[in-house]
Amino acid sequence: SQELEQSPQSLIVQEGKNLTINCTSSKTLYGLYWYKQKYGEGLIFLMMLQKGGEEKSHEKITAKLDEKKQQSSLHITASQPSHAGIYLCGADTVGGADGLTFGKGTHLIIQP
Amino acid sequence: DAGITQSPRHKVTETGTPVTLRCHQTENHRYMYWYRQDPGHGLRLIHYSYGVKDTDKGEVSDGYSVSRSKTEDFLLTLESATSSQTSVYFCATENRKWDSVNSGANVLTFGAGSRLTVL
Repeated sequence: SQELEQSPQSLIVQEGKNLTINCTSSKTLYGLYWYKQKYGEGLIFLMMLQKGGEEKSHEKITAKLDEKKQQSSLHITASQPSHAGIYLCGADTVGGADGLTFGKGTHLIIQP
Repeated sequence: DAGITQSPRHKVTETGTPVTLRCHQTENHRYMYWYRQDPGHGLRLIHYSYGVKDTDKGEVSDGYSVSRSKTEDFLLTLESATSSQTSVYFCATENRKWDSVNSGANVLTFGAGSRLTVL
């Protein structure tokens, strides 16, 4: 089965600083999804990447997909307290019928 | 927003008792999922449904059953709850509608979660 490894597991960043979270797959990526979860709440979809080299941005968050490395990175520029939470990457399973496989998440804390 | 409602949001029960969690959606999405989230394990798929009365097992299905008698509702049942089933359970729907082909984009929308404690 496909496994997704996220790094780092947790991250403490001073407000205003940039940060990067990585997601590496054990198998070929057919689609890579980034979600954010605030503590005690459900997951919120951020963005989806499907093609190698694809890059998407939403406000101050940019995600890239490196197909060769089977890896995606999520970059936050000038972090704010609102960015705090758990970031999870998810990947399509082969065939796409049974949902997404998720990484274990990266806990992000923003220090004022 | 897929309009997903999970109930109950919080439940405390005793070992050996049956528990049913309900997921209700208002978007007519064909695919529905139940995940559990645990520290150190992340999100793991329990069961999923690809249509009314059509369900299949996920990665961690032992001890769980599901039913989908109508489009809107997907029920997760623990026949005899155990302490290892203490977890936060999330329902999700996928934005593929009944008459669409798989575009390859499986965006899931999640409910707010149901926290279950088995004593």
